[in-house]
Amino acid sequence: DVKVTQSSRYLVKRTGEKVFLECVQDMDHENMFWYRQDPGLGLRLIYFSYDVKMKEKGDIPEGYSVSREKKERFSLILESASTNQTSMYLCASRSPRRRNVLTFGAGSRLTVL
Amino acid sequence: AQSVTQLGSHVSVSEGALVLLRCNYSSSVPPYLFWYVQYPNQGLQLLLKYTTGATLVKGINGFEAEFKKSETSFHLTKPSAHMSDAAEYFCAVIPIIQGAQKLVFGQGTRLTINP
Repeated sequence: DVKVTQSSRYLVKRTGEKVFLECVQDMDHENMFWYRQDPGLGLRLIYFSYDVKMKEKGDIPEGYSVSREKKERFSLILESASTNQTSMYLCASRSPRRRNVLTFGAGSRLTVL
Repeated sequence: AQSVTQLGSHVSVSEGALVLLRCNYSSSVPPYLFWYVQYPNQGLQLLLKYTTGATLVKGINGFEAEFKKSETSFHLTKPSAHMSDAAEYFCAVIPIIQGAQKLVFGQGTRLTINP
C-alpha cells in the first residue's frame, strides 16, 4: 500500500515564525496535494503539484508556499505564521493509474501562538 | 463552481440502527463522487466511489451509497451501525469538466454511535 508520511504530527509555533510541513510518499506518485482541515469547513485545497517543480494554487493559497524538488517530497511553507493558520494540515498523493483516488497522510496539527 | 453539501454536521444513531449520511452536489454534469472516512487522529481513507456504471456502489465496512442524478445526491448508508463506525465522514466530488481533477470536499459529518 502507498504510504504518505507527514513527519510532524503536532507542532506549536509562535506568530511570525517560518514553518515547514513535510510530506513524503513512497509510490512514485506524480500528483501531491496540501489541504487544510477546519471544523465545519471540511477540507480546503491550499496547493497541489502535478510533478516535480510544478505547482498550482488551490482555493486558499494566501499565506502559504510550497516546494517540490523531488518527486517523493512535497513541502508546505508558512513564511510568517499567524494565529489564523492554526489548523490541521493534510497531505495527499495520487497516481495517474488511479486518477481519482487520493491517499492521505495522518495529518499535522499546527498551533500558532 | 462545483460545491458539495453535507446535511447535518453531527449525526447520532444507536448501535444496530440504520446509518444515513446525506450528500448533495451542485453540477449540471454528474461528477465523480466519493465518500472518505476519518477516524480519530488519522488521515482520510476512501470508503467508496462512483465514476460510471452501476449507481449503487458498495464500499468497505458494509457501507454503500447510491448516485441519484435526478436528486443530485450521493447519500451514504449502512444497515446496522457498529461502535467502530464512529468517525467523521466526508463527501467529495471531482468535476469531470475540469481538467485539473481537483477534489472538492463537503463540510464533513461527525457520526456518533450510542451503545
